[in-house]
Amino acid sequence: DAGVTQSPTHLIKTRGQQVTLRCSPKSGHDTVSWYQQALGQGPQFIFQYYEEEERQRGNFPDRFSGHQFPNYSSELNVNALLLGDSALYLCASSRPGGLGGYTFGSGTRLTVV
Amino acid sequence: AQSVTQPDIHITVSEGASLELRCNYSYGATPYLFWYVQSPGQGLQLLLKYFSGDTLVQGIKGFEAEFKRSQSSFNLRKPSVHWSDAAEYFCAVGAQNNDMRFGAGTRLTVKP
Repeated sequence: DAGVTQSPTHLIKTRGQQVTLRCSPKSGHDTVSWYQQALGQGPQFIFQYYEEEERQRGNFPDRFSGHQFPNYSSELNVNALLLGDSALYLCASSRPGGLGGYTFGSGTRLTVV
Repeated sequence: AQSVTQPDIHITVSEGASLELRCNYSYGATPYLFWYVQSPGQGLQLLLKYFSGDTLVQGIKGFEAEFKRSQSSFNLRKPSVHWSDAAEYFCAVGAQNNDMRFGAGTRLTVKP
């Protein structure tokens, strides 16, 4: 049973560039949440997608945007990258109703230089 | 909005000793509470969760946690720590709309 799959695992971008991260949820899960985890910090909530719409959003600027597809997979886009965007980006999926807790992917390590 | 505080940034225990990691939450309604563990460079693995009912919950790897509403706490415990338990531990609180927020984490070091 495949869990949450994220791609790529690592990437390096230059300041000002744009990046797209991808996430495939666990089978049977319909909700996808994205988190940013800076080094030595806890995961910070970016946003959550359900039924192809952004349902919740954390305290992140509009440079961070996302999308959910009909097959429940999701993308996170970050425009005009800053050095401070360097972090581990985690995708988590959950079942309808979401009471089971999240299943996390292994994350995408983004380095902005 | 809900929030979580983990007062201890770093804890060191000897192998075989008992462990307690503290977690305090803030939320106006009945919280859904979770503990996750993260090994270096990895995603988060769910250890245990509390939704309702028995306030002492059992999880994987021999961990347990106790929900105390009067203290707004959900502390994680293990009677005997193994070297493989060294990792980062995160407490999280979830709302009914499925929005989960995490604490800053506690790093556990296990001495031989």
